[in-house]
Amino acid sequence: DAGVIQSPRHEVTEMGQEVTLRCKPISGHDYLFWYRQTMMRGLELLIYFNNNVPIDDSGMPEDRFSAKMPNASFSTLKIQPSEPRDSAVYFCASSLVWDRRTDTQYFGPGTRLTVL
Amino acid sequence: QKEVEQNSGPLSVPEGAIASLNCTYSDRGSQSFFWYRQYSGKSPELIMSIYSNGDKEDGRFTAQLNKASQYVSLLIRDSQPSDSATYLCAVLYDYKLSFGAGTTVTVRA
Repeated sequence: DAGVIQSPRHEVTEMGQEVTLRCKPISGHDYLFWYRQTMMRGLELLIYFNNNVPIDDSGMPEDRFSAKMPNASFSTLKIQPSEPRDSAVYFCASSLVWDRRTDTQYFGPGTRLTVL
Repeated sequence: QKEVEQNSGPLSVPEGAIASLNCTYSDRGSQSFFWYRQYSGKSPELIMSIYSNGDKEDGRFTAQLNKASQYVSLLIRDSQPSDSATYLCAVLYDYKLSFGAGTTVTVRA
């Protein structure tokens, strides 16, 4: 299997622009997670989906952030408008199952976002 | 917010020594605990999970859990230069992982 695929790997944009990050989970995985990692705040969960349905978006920082999963093989995280403080590495992860004695979350390579 | 605290690094150990990493968590309802390894510029990868009090061994790695003390640790025996990375402690609560800030380990050859 190819693993979790994210694109782009690097994104540089200017403040105020719209940014769209993309993720393809591992085939057959029912759970998809979006994380953000910064030096200041570490690795934070933004939102997760089960069977394409958003389950918990309490980590989404502001209304400028939105995430969708139109089908089992594709998800997007959109920032509009972007701000310099959004600069971070954004990871997508997927998992086959996700219960209290949990399965493994497999992380994608990440998208490094720089907002100037 | 579910807090996860890790011992501050960086931690430098000679090759062949034991590296000891510590983690405490704030929420007594947490039930599952994980250690992830993250090489510089790479994504986190799971190396150990533990759910019950006591020790769990996997090769050169041993995870220890003490729920009464809200404490999780990771021991890396016979440390190798390839173990040089940042180790993230993660705690599961309410289906969400909370991560510590990480401890960077450097193994000196």
